[in-house]
Parts: sequence; structure tokens; C-alpha cells
Amino acid sequence: GAGVSQSPSNKVTEKGKDVELRCDPISGHTALYWYRQSLGQGLEFLIYFQGNSAPDKSGLPSDRFSAERTGGSVSTLTIQRTQQEDSAVYLCASSLDRTGALNGYTFGSGTRLTVV
Amino acid sequence: DAKTTQPPSMDCAEGRAANLPCNHSTISGNEYVYWYRQIHSQGPQYIIHGLKNNETNEMASLIITEDRKSSTLILPHATLRDTAVYYCIVRAYNTDKLIFGTGTRLQVFP
Repeated sequence: GAGVSQSPSNKVTEKGKDVELRCDPISGHTALYWYRQSLGQGLEFLIYFQGNSAPDKSGLPSDRFSAERTGGSVSTLTIQRTQQEDSAVYLCASSLDRTGALNGYTFGSGTRLTVV
Repeated sequence: DAKTTQPPSMDCAEGRAANLPCNHSTISGNEYVYWYRQIHSQGPQYIIHGLKNNETNEMASLIITEDRKSSTLILPHATLRDTAVYYCIVRAYNTDKLIFGTGTRLQVFP
């Protein structure tokens, strides 16, 4: 596609429920990144994929968070047993090469998650 | 990756040049300077990057001092749509992620 697509754009869920957030990267982009941004805060790195493998999961805040990528394309970020502190905008980005050094990262518009 | 320091906020009149400074005094030889911006409620947008030479593209110019310890992002004719948070990031070419700081909130006024 023309850009990075994320769905849903907004999600309200009850505390304790599981949620899945989806990211469709730009076609041909091998690298995919997940970040989150809490209200009024900066961007926090979560996880990075190169192809279908995740060399860097260092930013996942707890074992309730997991992510996968299939076919070198779509990625899903899953949050189990959601807590109120999980409320944030979850941003996905992709890049043509593994570093994003050549042409930067392209970010999606994010999924705003609200846990009530 | 080296740490960067940016002013928390700046104002600029519409039509004037916006000059956004960034200090990165601990930058090492293989680290690039990247600039992104984030307009309210949107994902960050790549602007420009450079190593040691000045760079220019359709969005902005990047001026890096000779000692590479600081840089300035220049928006030559700021518009109201340039109001955003601007992030200066220093990273090595072969690292796998960007670490965002708190950035500079630029307010362009009429």
C-alpha cells in the first residue's frame, strides 16, 4: 500500500480483556517496528522485526505483551489481560532496510487503546 | 547512541525561517543525526538526516557543525502546518531502532 496501515484506529476495552492490534507495513519493507506513546509522553520502543523474526524484543514491558509477523508482512501486537496503564497510542513503523538509515522509517497513524 | 539536548519549545512567525537547535556533544564518528517531527495525533514523520555534510531536501535543511557536536534544522519558510514536536536523534548507521527523546515543540503563529 501507499503507507503503513494500522487497525483499529481506536479501541476501548475492559480491564482484563485481551486485545490485538494490527499493522500492515509498506509493501517490500523488510523491517517493522512497534512503539507506544502514552498521553503527553515520548515514544517508547517495544519490538523490532526483520522479516518474520524479532531480533530485538527488549522494549516489551511485560510478558503480557507479544507480537508476531507472518509472511514478512502483517504484524500483530497482542496484549493479554489488559491493564489501565496499557492505555496509549500504539504506533507501527516500517523501513526498506533493517536500519531505516537510508530513507527513514514510515509510521502509521497508530491505534489509540483505552483500557477502562 | 549519543544523547541529544533540545529546547523544550520554540515559537516562529509564519513565513519566517524556523531554526531548531540540537546538541549532541558525545556523538561518535559513525553516528548520524536524524530529524523527525510529530504533528498532533499523527505518527512521526521523517524529515532529514546527515553525517557531517550539510543536507537539504524539499522539507528542510540540516546544518551540522564542523566538530559535529551540534546541529540545526532549518525550515526556511515556516507555515502553520509546521507546528509540531521536532525530534533530533543520533544513532549509528547499523543500529536497529530509533530512540526518541522529548523533542522541541515548535509553535508557528500567524
